[in-house]
Amino acid sequence: AQKVTQAQTEISVVEKEDVTLDCVYETRDTTYYLFWYKQPPSGELVFLIRRNSFDEQNEISGRYSWNFQKSTSSFNFTITASQVVDSAVYFCALRSNTGNQFYFGTGTSLTVIP
Amino acid sequence: DAGVIQSPRHEVTEMGQEVTLRCKPISGHNSLFWYRQTMMRGLELLIYFNNNVPIDDSGMPEDRFSAKMPNASFSTLKIQPSEPRDSAVYFCASSLEIIKGDTQYFGPGTRLTVL
Repeated sequence: AQKVTQAQTEISVVEKEDVTLDCVYETRDTTYYLFWYKQPPSGELVFLIRRNSFDEQNEISGRYSWNFQKSTSSFNFTITASQVVDSAVYFCALRSNTGNQFYFGTGTSLTVIP
Repeated sequence: DAGVIQSPRHEVTEMGQEVTLRCKPISGHNSLFWYRQTMMRGLELLIYFNNNVPIDDSGMPEDRFSAKMPNASFSTLKIQPSEPRDSAVYFCASSLEIIKGDTQYFGPGTRLTVL
């Protein structure tokens, strides 16, 4: 069974604080893909990152970084020095190599307080 | 480059009316997905197409919902008759699908309100 769990429903931080959004996944596949999407208040879903299961290297993009650990089935997302524009709902998703379906977590709503 | 295009962006209709949502995928993408998002159920996959052929429609709620993809650049999701519980944001997404695990790119969504 494929499943993505985002245990944090809502997080509030003060601007410039660092924040980590957790994502834990379940799959029996050896090849799979993990994604993060951002949904700002305007409502669109914006693609942030895609990782495949064979690449455990952490990735950094500006203030964003991702920590992929197969040993704990986690793909956590950290925002450094958060800004008000980071306020959004963030979704983690899993896609196996054997099907087309995405399995989305329930999302984490991040509010950055100025 | 144009992303996924959806129309209309907002739709308000009365119960019992037919509603048609439209989607134009990114040019060259072979797979198209329809999702529904509500507060209660989150993001739900309704149906997806590969090379214009419906592959999995197990997420379609009931017979009132139907989807078509007559060509590679156009898809519709129709609800007939609509009910208040159909009120949601409907997203269309597309991916290359030449290789597995391709990223899905989402359209801006259609916010449907059924009164």
